Amino acid sequence: DAEITQSPRHKITETGRQVTLACHQTWNHNNMFWYRQDLGHGLRLIHYSYGVHDTNKGEVSDGYSVSRSNTEDLPLTLESAASSQTSVYFCASSDKRQETQYFGPGTRLLVL
Amino acid sequence: GDSVTQMEGPVTLSEEAFLTINCTYTATGYPSLFWYVQYPGEGLQLLLKATKADDKGSNKGFEATYRKETTSFHLEKGSVQVSDSAVYFCALSDLNNDMRFGAGTRLTVKP
Repeated sequence: DAEITQSPRHKITETGRQVTLACHQTWNHNNMFWYRQDLGHGLRLIHYSYGVHDTNKGEVSDGYSVSRSNTEDLPLTLESAASSQTSVYFCASSDKRQETQYFGPGTRLLVL
Repeated sequence: GDSVTQMEGPVTLSEEAFLTINCTYTATGYPSLFWYVQYPGEGLQLLLKATKADDKGSNKGFEATYRKETTSFHLEKGSVQVSDSAVYFCALSDLNNDMRFGAGTRLTVKP
């Protein structure tokens, strides 16, 4: 069965370190998204991609970057982790715009 | 820009009670509307959706009708179960904007 996976599921890091969160989908979807989920804010879009080599900034992109070198993967990099980036991060994918998004299980990140 | 407003929680109900979670939206185009559910420790998953006015989405006893005249997509279930305890997100998506989520409503159902 097709799926979307994230790794690691839990991560503890220190302020100032670079961190990369992996997202891999086997749906062969063109569109991939990264969100963060914080209490009181729901889900906020960080970055998204509509295809290989395409990346776009979302609502809360400062301090994050993504790259899309193939259809299956969209890694999210925190260039220099800050305590404000402690959150739960979700990756999602969809076949077409305006269509259902399929979510990964999430990565819980703690920045000390 | 497009946005979604859903009723704040938390909502606590007894088993077999009737559930309504209100959701209203603002959009310039003709969005698709969604309800997602998030169980503890998991990612969001689609519960139901509707793609045009007057469409009714339904799944697992939950229903929501796309009301263009009131810009609403309220979630209802006639008889909730303990297993329905989760966080529910209303969302919209159109061709110019990808998914916009409401803040989420936490539902707890007590036996």
